[in-house]
Amino acid sequence: AQKITQTQPGMFVQEKEAVTLDCTYDTSDPSYGLFWYKQPSSGEMIFLIYQGSYDQQNATEGRYSLNFQKARKSANLVISASQLGDSAMYFCAMREGHYTGGFKTIFGAGTRLFVKA
Amino acid sequence: ETGVTQTPRHLVMGMTNKKSLKCEQHLGHNAMYWYKQSAKKPLELMFVYSLEERVENNSVPSRFSPECPNSSHLFLHLHTLQPEDSALYLCASSPTRTGVNEKLFFGSGTQLSVL
Repeated sequence: AQKITQTQPGMFVQEKEAVTLDCTYDTSDPSYGLFWYKQPSSGEMIFLIYQGSYDQQNATEGRYSLNFQKARKSANLVISASQLGDSAMYFCAMREGHYTGGFKTIFGAGTRLFVKA
Repeated sequence: ETGVTQTPRHLVMGMTNKKSLKCEQHLGHNAMYWYKQSAKKPLELMFVYSLEERVENNSVPSRFSPECPNSSHLFLHLHTLQPEDSALYLCASSPTRTGVNEKLFFGSGTQLSVL
């Protein structure tokens, strides 16, 4: 079963507007971490933001914020004031595991964001 | 030089060739990973190394052979590949391999084409 679901293969946003990229996840572990990574055309995956399952407040990093709704198992990324340089693939990821069995980071299929001038 | 460096950036090989992908990290991390990124598929974790010991092999065919000679270097040796192995191969590292808050640092990948 797919553990990370990103239902938007592609999204368009006008420059300077905000955009929300959806992510839902599935886990039975009480402790897990949620991440968003950006992959520009150069190929390198760049860490954007992290949310721990026990964190009470939504994470924010500059123009990025994570809308964490634990009961709904969703971790949407909000990018405010979009810039042309935000055009890229965006991946939602979850890290879970145990100290005895090891930890894994698994990724969703990604959303390609296009920012229009 | 900082970060995670992968070479070569692009590789074209025949099915009978033997080649190697190289990854080097300058971050002092103890864990290194190989991921495979195919078109329209989520990233697939292939191998995990922690302190130079392979700790995970996710049912990867034996035509892929990893090697971690020290904590800064990771190789992926390729032989007798199939066309479906064509993909972007990403190397990543993290400070440790434990904890849910460990973020991954990626290289730019090697785009592999198997003819």
